[in-house]
Amino acid sequence: AQSVTQPDARVTVSEGASLQLRCKYSYSATPYLFWYVQYPRQGLQLLLKYYSGDPVVQGVNSFEAEFSKSNSSFHLQKASVHWSDSAVYFCALPGTGGYKVVFGSGTRLLVSP
Amino acid sequence: EAAVTQSPRNKVAVTGGKVTLSCNQTNNHNNMYWYRQDTGHGLRLIHYSYGAGSTEKGDIPDGYKASRPSQENFSLILELATPSQTSVYFCASGDALGGYAEQFFGPGTRLTVL
Repeated sequence: AQSVTQPDARVTVSEGASLQLRCKYSYSATPYLFWYVQYPRQGLQLLLKYYSGDPVVQGVNSFEAEFSKSNSSFHLQKASVHWSDSAVYFCALPGTGGYKVVFGSGTRLLVSP
Repeated sequence: EAAVTQSPRNKVAVTGGKVTLSCNQTNNHNNMYWYRQDTGHGLRLIHYSYGAGSTEKGDIPDGYKASRPSQENFSLILELATPSQTSVYFCASGDALGGYAEQFFGPGTRLTVL
């Protein structure tokens, strides 16, 4: 069955530092992969997506993610974080039977000044 | 301008009362979803719909009903609300993009059942 694992429940980084949030997936083929972000008191917003082709995909607000089939991973990265990046980040992929999404448990990012 | 809107944004209900949460989307998506989000459980799918007049059970449908009277509107109904249904509820819309995993979420409704 499809699954997504985000091993880090919480990550704290200093403003201006680089960031990597980890995502590992289990899927029978090459999946579509997504990162969503949830700011406080808001719904989830699509940050970036991977469908095929170039394994490095760019998203909004200078985020990027790299797909690795050999490692079954889709890690999210940013070169220099800002305090406004503090949020919860979810990795996701399609579920079985259509119409469904498998979400990871989320990683709460805190950017300290 | 917001593509998925929810009402109300906050709701306090009494145990045993009826609660209706509403969702409207202007994305012209066929599919709509209701999730609840609780600490420790992440997002869980309650009901979904793949078009006007259809509703399907998600992973945790017990205690909830759904209604999709039109392409744009999708409601979640709690006929007899219980304190265990205190949560934040999110509506989403989507289509076949990304295997249906590319979804657009509303801002959420915070429901407290006393």
